[in-house]
Amino acid sequence: DADVTQTPRNRITKTGKRIMLECSQTKGHDRMYWYRQDPGLGLRLIYYSFDVKDINKGEISDGYSVSRQAQAKFSLSLESAIPNQTALYFCATSDRTGGYEQYFGPGTRLTVT
Amino acid sequence: RKEVEQDPGPFNVPEGATVAFNCTYSNSASQSFFWYRQDCRKEPKLLMSVYSSGNEDGRFTAQLNRASQYISLLIRDSKLSDSATYLCVLRTSYDKVIFGPGTSLSVIP
Repeated sequence: DADVTQTPRNRITKTGKRIMLECSQTKGHDRMYWYRQDPGLGLRLIYYSFDVKDINKGEISDGYSVSRQAQAKFSLSLESAIPNQTALYFCATSDRTGGYEQYFGPGTRLTVT
Repeated sequence: RKEVEQDPGPFNVPEGATVAFNCTYSNSASQSFFWYRQDCRKEPKLLMSVYSSGNEDGRFTAQLNRASQYISLLIRDSKLSDSATYLCVLRTSYDKVIFGPGTSLSVIP
């Protein structure tokens, strides 16, 4: 079984809809991240969490919110989806003892029409 | 200026060739450096960490020049399976992780 899982893997939604992307990990890591990837722009950080009580905005947090329900779960919400949020979304985990290597989930391909 | 910049690519090289990628960064507080590999439509995966003294892992060699603020990755004897996008990544002293835009490599038979 994969160490970092994301659901759903693909989603098509309409403008204005609320959508939640979920991430779970079995690695026991304290740090979790949400990124989006767009062609030519690389990975951009949306939000990150260093533990359950610590949530931080990344470089592109507008239009997104997150919830760290447990050490192993970190969800990303789009309150009112818009077409320019169409992208590939990745969740990742890391910890200090692992040298900060980031372990990524398989990604969620989101299309907002 | 972007915090991390990479050769734009794409690089198209024949099997067996040696190819080098460069990456420059602007944040002098950067503490850790990495190369990740990303296959098409897949998640990035760590290829290797980059150490100050330089390090090698099989056909891959990574170098770090802190004074000039650049990192390099050398791939020798390229294989078809090396075709991917290579991401330069750094971690700053305040634990911010920054990904470069990536350089695409295609190894041609």
